[in-house]
Amino acid sequence: EPEVTQTPSHQVTQMGQEVILRCVPISNHLYFYWYRQILGQKVEFLVSFYNNEISEKSEIFDDQFSVERPDGSNFTLKIRSTKLEDSAMYFCASTSDQAVRAFFGQGTRLTVV
Amino acid sequence: ELKVEQNPLFLSMQEGKNYTIYCNYSTTSDRLYWYRQDPGKSLESLFVLLSNGAVKQEGRLMASLDTKARLSTLHITAAVHDLSATYFCAATNTGGFKTIFGAGTRLFVKA
Repeated sequence: EPEVTQTPSHQVTQMGQEVILRCVPISNHLYFYWYRQILGQKVEFLVSFYNNEISEKSEIFDDQFSVERPDGSNFTLKIRSTKLEDSAMYFCASTSDQAVRAFFGQGTRLTVV
Repeated sequence: ELKVEQNPLFLSMQEGKNYTIYCNYSTTSDRLYWYRQDPGKSLESLFVLLSNGAVKQEGRLMASLDTKARLSTLHITAAVHDLSATYFCAATNTGGFKTIFGAGTRLFVKA
């Protein structure tokens, strides 16, 4: 079965450093998403991406965050200057159509120290 | 602003019993989702509900949607231990892409 893959599985970074989280969505999917989940808490929407542009973003997704689909297969989330509170599990998801199920990657655990 | 509330937040039940998880959302929504998450794992999509009266079933789980009441339910029939997980509902803002999640219901099925 096709799957969404995310790398790395775990990233530790110093506060203030830039990180790039990578995702390879399922190949024929058109809608891409990033979510985050602080340990043991609810899942939070960050951003959706469709037709090579951001379709919607949350209040969390401020100027420190950006997304790119640089080569038609990867979908990246960049955090320019990480803060301690950015420590969370970050999930990428993709779907072919919003009316059907989305597929989630296994997540990247980001730890900011 | 769309808000999603689930209850109960924690549910411990015996194998073989039935139970229902409730999900209320505060404003109109285009799509209602149910997800399962095992500890330390990713999210698995269970159901997408699009219209009033929609009902979907897979195995021992059945989800329904009442858009007038802004309520979705996830009914568990004859629970088994393998259903132990956290279940999230989520709703998408009308005409948009933003998905708001409930706090999750941690289900524990005792043998």
